[in-house]
Amino acid sequence: GQSLEQPSEVTAVEGAIVQINCTYQTSGFYGLSWYQQHDGGAPTFLSYNALDGLEETGRFSSFLSRSDSYGYLLLQELQMKDSASYFCAVRDLEYSTLTFGKGTMLLVSP
Amino acid sequence: NAGVTQTPKFRVLKTGQSMTLLCAQDMNHEYMYWYRQDPGMGLRLIHYSVGEGTTAKGEVPDGYNVSRLKKQNFLLGLESAAPSQTSVYFCASSYATSGRGKDEYFGPGTRLLVL
Repeated sequence: GQSLEQPSEVTAVEGAIVQINCTYQTSGFYGLSWYQQHDGGAPTFLSYNALDGLEETGRFSSFLSRSDSYGYLLLQELQMKDSASYFCAVRDLEYSTLTFGKGTMLLVSP
Repeated sequence: NAGVTQTPKFRVLKTGQSMTLLCAQDMNHEYMYWYRQDPGMGLRLIHYSVGEGTTAKGEVPDGYNVSRLKKQNFLLGLESAAPSQTSVYFCASSYATSGRGKDEYFGPGTRLLVL
């Protein structure tokens, strides 16, 4: 089985940098994904790490360490529109399905 | 390109009633999924399909049935709705190829209230 832990809420101010951590226990997975969901909306794909290390996509970066069963999403130059929920997820090796963490609500204040 | 669409957007049911949620995608994706999202619980997989005519159970399948008669459509059925099935239901689809993550594309959701 798979289980993922992430903080329930994180707060930050505009222009700052914030890191959302994700620790996991899995029986094997392809990689770690991150999704963003604005209130009431559809989750949208942000980033994916198949290998250890850092992946950068504009203001967002994601990191994976398989040896530490740990990953994080880094958001730089925060904007008000970044206020949303962020989910980490792993894709199961056997069934190829995603298991999501419970999500972290990011609140960005002026 | 509409992406992933869901019908209906919102529905109120009485306990014991039945209904079908429709998901359609126009991206020629092989895989399709149904999730439910409850407050504080994240997204939980109900059923999924890896191709036309195939379905499989996810994490929380009880009380639901699915069918994938056409590649572009994935139906989720509630035979006898219960208040515990009050939730937001999301459909998603993805390519079958491995690699970059088989990013899943989500529909806008169906909000279901069972009284």
